Amino acid sequence: GAGVSQSPSNKVTEKGKDVELRCDPISGHTALYWYRQSLGQGLEFLIYFQGNSAPDKSGLPSDRFSAERTGGSVSTLTIQRTQQEDSAVYLCASSLSGGMNTEAFFGQGTRLTVV
Amino acid sequence: DQQVKQNSPSLSVQEGRISILNCDYTNSMFDYFLWYKKYPAEGPTFLISISSIKDKNEDGRFTVFLNKSAKHLSLHIVPSQPGDSAVYFCAALNNNNDMRFGAGTRLTVKP
Repeated sequence: GAGVSQSPSNKVTEKGKDVELRCDPISGHTALYWYRQSLGQGLEFLIYFQGNSAPDKSGLPSDRFSAERTGGSVSTLTIQRTQQEDSAVYLCASSLSGGMNTEAFFGQGTRLTVV
Repeated sequence: DQQVKQNSPSLSVQEGRISILNCDYTNSMFDYFLWYKKYPAEGPTFLISISSIKDKNEDGRFTVFLNKSAKHLSLHIVPSQPGDSAVYFCAALNNNNDMRFGAGTRLTVKP
């Protein structure tokens, strides 16, 4: 498909387990963002990748959270030793960027539930 | 840090009337602003944007106004329709395309 793809769409995990969330951005998009939306909350910034630059990790809530972007394309968000407060919808977005301001396109999100 | 703020969590408007959604930002490095619309169980979708060199951008029923000196922008929807009922997010980008969102405003348009 032509859009941003996220997998899995839903994930239920036990407290203390590690989870990996995947994002396939739109081909050719150099910018990739991760956000999370907790129940009734807004879009909380997590991390931003732009081309080959060092990512902006300033939004990651703790050292249990990490993200990679391999080959400038697919990204994985890893949450180690999950806690119940990690339950949220995790949204990925990508944009063409390349020095121009442009809109970002979002995936459908991954709904994470930690039980 | 709340660099982008939407202080109204909800707004209710009668069909046919104007909806005005507000957004404030604190970082003067932001130079491009966007509005996204989000339905339940879907990702946000882009609605309209404005560059900091402009003070108004119009697209059909949607108009975004930017007041740089006040660090304020607003989205006007005229006339409002029931299908416009959704959560609206304001977003701001700096010149590195680093994007931050507001907390969102839930718009309900009543028939």
